[in-house]
Amino acid sequence: GAVVSQHPSRVICKSGTSVKIECRSLDFQATTMFWYRQFPKQSLMLMATSNEGSKATYEQGVEKDKFLINHASLTLSTLTVTSAHPEDSSFYICSARKGSGEQFFGPGTRLTVL
Amino acid sequence: GNSVTQMEGPVTLSEEAFLTINCTYTATGYPSLFWYVQYPGEGLQLLLKATKADDKGSNKGFEATYRKETTSFHLEKGSVQVSDSAVYFCALRGSQGNLIFGKGTKLSVKP
Repeated sequence: GAVVSQHPSRVICKSGTSVKIECRSLDFQATTMFWYRQFPKQSLMLMATSNEGSKATYEQGVEKDKFLINHASLTLSTLTVTSAHPEDSSFYICSARKGSGEQFFGPGTRLTVL
Repeated sequence: GNSVTQMEGPVTLSEEAFLTINCTYTATGYPSLFWYVQYPGEGLQLLLKATKADDKGSNKGFEATYRKETTSFHLEKGSVQVSDSAVYFCALRGSQGNLIFGKGTKLSVKP
């Protein structure tokens, strides 16, 4: 299967700082990547859809100015959590979609905001 | 809107026991349905899928049948192994191509 990586796997930051999470498709090109957020014992909730070369589409209730998404190439999308607060602490997961439509998931990034 | 409901865990079974994890969905039309598995420390992996009513997805001894009458896609395995211990997510494909997930069911298999 295809491989999707995320970096970092775990990050701890102070309140008010910004954190960037990278999502890379290692062996295929992905015109579309998705960013999900997972709370403990909860489902994965779609945050935004990231299309290469265009603006991301955000789900209702997700602040686009807080969660900045950039999809600069066919193998890289980044999520930047700006001015992070403790309530932003969560598990962030990306997925990349192949041309066939199948999605491949990254291993996730655990963000803890102190 | 579209949604997925799956049985809450955790589910604890002995090795070689029969497994059923219930999943029902609410959707407009007949979306593709999926089961994903997340092993400890790893990302989600596609376990099986079904794209239309009455389709049966199968992989690694797991099966699920797309039942439009009951809007269900229950996951089954006849004999579980310790290595099956993981979190299982039922999902459907939304109109934007994104996936809509259930809350996940943690399975623990004891030797």
